[in-house]
Amino acid sequence: DTAVSQTPKYLVTQMGNDKSIKCEQNLGHDTMYWYKQDSKKFLKIMFSYNNKELIINETVPNRFSPKSPDKAHLNLHINSLELGDSAVYFCASRRTENTEAFFGQGTRLTVV
Amino acid sequence: GQQVMQIPQYQHVQEGEDFTTYCNSSTTLSNIQWYKQRPGGHPVFLIQLVKSGEVKKQKRLTFQFGEAKKNSSLHITATQTTDVGTYFCAGPLQGGSEKLVFGKGTKLTVNP
Repeated sequence: DTAVSQTPKYLVTQMGNDKSIKCEQNLGHDTMYWYKQDSKKFLKIMFSYNNKELIINETVPNRFSPKSPDKAHLNLHINSLELGDSAVYFCASRRTENTEAFFGQGTRLTVV
Repeated sequence: GQQVMQIPQYQHVQEGEDFTTYCNSSTTLSNIQWYKQRPGGHPVFLIQLVKSGEVKKQKRLTFQFGEAKKNSSLHITATQTTDVGTYFCAGPLQGGSEKLVFGKGTKLTVNP
């Protein structure tokens, strides 16, 4: 079983569209994250949830809205997609603070 | 603001040569983690350092945490082609230890 799974793996869409990326972890972890990795491989934290509550909300356009229906799921919805949103988005989770993070396989988003 | 700096950004070595990447924080860290991301893959946890001056080894990899807990290094002895990838350090920064912030990574390429 995959510990942290994301869907879809690839997403190609046109500017202006709205899309969602789903993430599920079966590790029983309390904390989940969304990271954006750009073409230079920089991993930038976007959001963090702890037990369904938003803990960290970095300087991210409000077109990005995370939703955590339960502590095993953290989805990312993006409105009005722009070319600059093209990147690989990683979901991650960890049991508590100061423990290792487990990453999903990533979702490669291409906005055309 | 607080950040984690990592150098070099790129490193090309011949197989058999040694490799080192360095990580520096503007503030004291409670711990530091290291991750490896293979090309096309996702970050995978390698190790966590917690104590001042701590040194840990994993086969050919040696990890160090500075005395002031502001810097860390990863050293690979006698690189192999399987070491190829991007190595990231990560630390819990401003906003609480839930915020796991990554350095910009060092991309290692190994010529056979």
